[in-house]
Formats: sequence, C-alpha cells, structure tokens
Amino acid sequence: DQQVKQNSPSLSVQEGRISILNCDYTNSMFDYFLWYKKYPAEGPTFLISISSIKDKNEDGRFTVFLNKSAKHLSLHIVPSQPGDSAVYFCAAIGGGADGLTFGKGTHLIIQP
Amino acid sequence: EPEVTQTPSHQVTQMGQEVILRCVPISNHLYFYWYRQILGQKVEFLVSFYNNEISEKSEIFDDQFSVERPDGSNFTLKIRSTKLEDSAMYFCASSEALPGQGAYGYTFGSGTRLTIV
Repeated sequence: DQQVKQNSPSLSVQEGRISILNCDYTNSMFDYFLWYKKYPAEGPTFLISISSIKDKNEDGRFTVFLNKSAKHLSLHIVPSQPGDSAVYFCAAIGGGADGLTFGKGTHLIIQP
Repeated sequence: EPEVTQTPSHQVTQMGQEVILRCVPISNHLYFYWYRQILGQKVEFLVSFYNNEISEKSEIFDDQFSVERPDGSNFTLKIRSTKLEDSAMYFCASSEALPGQGAYGYTFGSGTRLTIV
C-alpha cells in the first residue's frame, strides 16, 4: 500500500537547468510534506517542507509546490548543480501520526 | 551543526542472536525515532519515543523489537532473535517537535548497516 508515490526512479538533468521531482500521495490525512536528500552511506538530510495550508514554499534554489486537490507535490531545483546529484525522498505526515511515510525515492543525476 | 550519531556504522550478527543499535540524538531534542531501509526499498517508520515511552509504533515493530533511553543521552534499538530479513540500514532520528507542529523535519543519523548471516 503505497501512500506516497514517487513514480520516477531516476531523473537526469543537465547542469544549470531546472530539476523537477514529483510525488503523489493518497492519504487525505496527510497535512505536512517534506523532501529529504540522501547521499550514499549517509542518512537522509532534510531539505524543505510545506504545510497543507500553503501551495508553495521557497528556500534558495529549492521550491516545493503543493496541489492539494490533485494530491500532488513537486520539488523544483533551479539551477541544478553537480552537488545536487543524490536520491530525493518525498515524505508525508498527518492525522496525528508521529511517523513519516516515505516514497521510494528518485535518483537525480546532474550531468555536466 | 548538531548531529545525530549512530554506532556502529556496520554490524554483522548471526541469525538468532540479539543486536543493539545505538544512537545519540541531538541534546535538546525531545522526540526520537527509528527507521529502517531494506536494500532497494523505501525508508520505513519503526517507532517514535517521547517522554521516556513509546509514542507510536508501526506494524513492523513487533515483540522482537524494543527501544530504550537508558541514561538520558543514548537511545537504543534492540532486536532479539534476529532473522535474515532484519538485514537493513537502520536510521535513528530526533526532532524538537513533531514535523509540522513546531519542527520542520527530523535530523537523521548516518545509519547502521545491519547484516544478519
């Protein structure tokens, strides 16, 4: 039962261009969404989050968009840099739960 | 920048044995968590711990598992009678508050790779 889905296992983007990572969710109780970045042999690192009462949150090169009616969120990275190459996880929480529900991740590869 | 520290980084244990994974959360954090990631699969929530007791646990966290905060700084995950399918990366995390309720997100440790042989 995949409550959080990241349908693209990998994404290749040229350096300097925009990277767009997508995430869909099914649980209407989710009210807070997060993006984590993970390098090999390291734990996930918090990147950016958004509350369900907002539709956009921006932090430097990173912007997260939330379309609540479509149960869809996306992470935009502009401009993409080589250091952005990593696995990106979408996660969600809500309904009084403590635990995050993660997607399977998207491996972003930034090409020079 | 404050870190969540996990030891050991890699643990090899014989099937049926008990293993203890250790974590030192960030000192002013109040919520502590364990997650695991089986190779090739998603990161899964195991348990949250608050105010010296389990706050929430997932279906994965059965009687084989237990958590403890023995001395106010360490946070441990014990797995009894380990099975081959317990092999995974185990991540500890901590936060000042629940995400969306005063905290933006957890801080994760680098993980312990547990291999059951």
